Amino acid sequence: DAGITQSPRYKITETGRQVTLMCHQTWSHSYMFWYRQDLGHGLRLIYYSAAADITDKGEVPDGYVVSRSKTENFPLTLESATRSQTSVYFCASRYSGSKETQYFGPGTRLLVL
Amino acid sequence: SQQGEEDPQALSIQEGENATMNCSYKTSINNLQWYRQNSGRGLVHLILIRSNEREKHSGRLRVTLDTSKKSSSLLITASRAADTASYFCATDGAAGNKLTFGGGTRVLVKP
Repeated sequence: DAGITQSPRYKITETGRQVTLMCHQTWSHSYMFWYRQDLGHGLRLIYYSAAADITDKGEVPDGYVVSRSKTENFPLTLESATRSQTSVYFCASRYSGSKETQYFGPGTRLLVL
Repeated sequence: SQQGEEDPQALSIQEGENATMNCSYKTSINNLQWYRQNSGRGLVHLILIRSNEREKHSGRLRVTLDTSKKSSSLLITASRAADTASYFCATDGAAGNKLTFGGGTRVLVKP
């Protein structure tokens, strides 16, 4: 039972490059979420998706793009990476019928030089 | 802006002692949840308390909720070194689609 996985786990890139972070879940959860975690800010929601082909902005969406062509995948793309996007990124998912527990992936540590 | 704010930001205790942390929030909620994050890991759900509940227990965890004060507390009794982690509260507002997390409390349990 793989649950929810993220790849890569660590990524170093340069300013201006495009970067895609992958998230995959095996539970067929309808909802998926992307957060970033920075010191002093806790977790902030970037984007979320209620189902395939349905996405919505969170608290800090600028500079990010998401897609959800398949229920199990929710990639996050930084179109032109900036140093301020250096962070730890977490993907999460939950059942559609519940507004409750979210299940988190292990995170991706991204460094933008 | 964060919906939940935890207090204290950091807490250091001896093994066997109790650890208490608080969370305050700003708007009406459907439920409030607590999550734990071990260093370098993702968050793990601990307990959920609904807006019409005042207290809930799960093992060594006790959560209270005071909606009139817009605050919650998490008590970990008889702490263990393995309880060393960051603890986050998260609120599920009226829309119910997403959670808003606080900044977390870092707990260090010394053996």
